[in-house]
Amino acid sequence: EAAVTQSPRSKVAVTGGKVTLSCHQTNNHDYMYWYRQDTGHGLRLIHYSYVADSTEKGDIPDGYKASRPSQENFSLILELASLSQTAVYFCASSDRPVSNERLFFGHGTKLSVL
Amino acid sequence: GDSVTQTEGPVTVSESESLIINCTYSATSIAYPNLFWYVRYPGEGLQLLLKVITAGQKGSSRGFEATYNKETTSFHLQKASVQESDSAVYYCALGEPQGTGSKLSFGKGAKLTVSP
Repeated sequence: EAAVTQSPRSKVAVTGGKVTLSCHQTNNHDYMYWYRQDTGHGLRLIHYSYVADSTEKGDIPDGYKASRPSQENFSLILELASLSQTAVYFCASSDRPVSNERLFFGHGTKLSVL
Repeated sequence: GDSVTQTEGPVTVSESESLIINCTYSATSIAYPNLFWYVRYPGEGLQLLLKVITAGQKGSSRGFEATYNKETTSFHLQKASVQESDSAVYYCALGEPQGTGSKLSFGKGAKLTVSP
């Protein structure tokens, strides 16, 4: 079974601090994604990547950076964390473009910015 | 833009009763997007429950069914008899190409609680 591992599982950060969320996949998938979920919203796409060393903006990229140093790893970086970035973050991977293919998700990272 | 509107939780159903979670969609770039239901069990990540990529077809998995209805732009999730183990959050999603990749648009999720 395909595996996507996120770390940490939960984190408390201070406003203005830097936060890095990590994601590692053992699926040999080309596509990786970062989503966030807030109460009252569906999952919203922040950044995605279809090849190592390249990232693309999703629907809500402001305030976030992404890094894909290898096929297996995809990080989400909050340079200056803000209260509004409190949410649950999901990483996912897929073998082909996600519109046709199933996504494999990690367990999620619960981020609280205080 | 694209959108998915679904029943929002919480939804509470007694064990062995029937279930329907409504989902309607609106796609802008293609006439017939791919449609999915994902489920998130407590403590787990989301996982695919079922998908249908052809209008008019029905998908099924673990006793759940959903039919792709292009006339009503709907993809409702149904189960004839739920179990406690079905308690989870259910997400309807729409997939379509976008630029260099593609995109999944998710509904807000419906939290289902099945009582014994």
